[in-house]
Amino acid sequence: AQSVTQLGSHVSVSEGALVLLRCNYSSSVPPYLFWYVQYPNQGLQLLLKYTTGATLVKGINGFEAEFKKSETSFHLTKPSAHMSDAAEYFCAVTRNAGGTSYGKLTFGQGTILTVHP
Amino acid sequence: NAGVTQTPKFQVLKTGQSMTLQCAQDMNHNSMYWYRQDPGMGLRLIYYSASEGTTDKGEVPNGYNVSRLNKREFSLRLESAAPSQTSVYFCASRGLDSGDRAFFGQGTRLTVV
Repeated sequence: AQSVTQLGSHVSVSEGALVLLRCNYSSSVPPYLFWYVQYPNQGLQLLLKYTTGATLVKGINGFEAEFKKSETSFHLTKPSAHMSDAAEYFCAVTRNAGGTSYGKLTFGQGTILTVHP
Repeated sequence: NAGVTQTPKFQVLKTGQSMTLQCAQDMNHNSMYWYRQDPGMGLRLIYYSASEGTTDKGEVPNGYNVSRLNKREFSLRLESAAPSQTSVYFCASRGLDSGDRAFFGQGTRLTVV
């Protein structure tokens, strides 16, 4: 079984401040981990992903995340928040089902990021 | 490229009515998913289809049925709609060429009164 917990349903930061969105996962096999962003009335867009290899992954719009197996975490960070970063962010976990098909993709509850001027 | 297309975008149903949400992808992806999104609950998996010809239940399958019509299309049916099924529904697809990422449709906002 796999699951994702995002700590904090709402995070508020000032423009220019550090953004930290927390994600912990549970997976019985090595996970693939993702962060998605959702702007109002839109679908989800991929920010970044970890599958194998380097544990620090960089994504779009200056975001990055670090896979820490010992802590079962995949926290999302950005050094300096911008007003345009205001959105809802989702962490997700899956595993490689092998071959050309994929199994479940499980999402966390989401974190709404507010950026103040 | 169209990506993942969902229809309709909006729908209002009366309790007990039935309807089918349509989803089609043009990326030749093997795997497709249906989620519902409710405030504070993230995206919850209703059903998924790992490959053409297979479907499996997700976290919240009760009250729904799915059909993987072909590789492109994956429909979600509500046989007898209930107010608890008021939600935003998203279809997604994944394939080897997508680098493990999922592509999402724009969503269907369903209200059951």
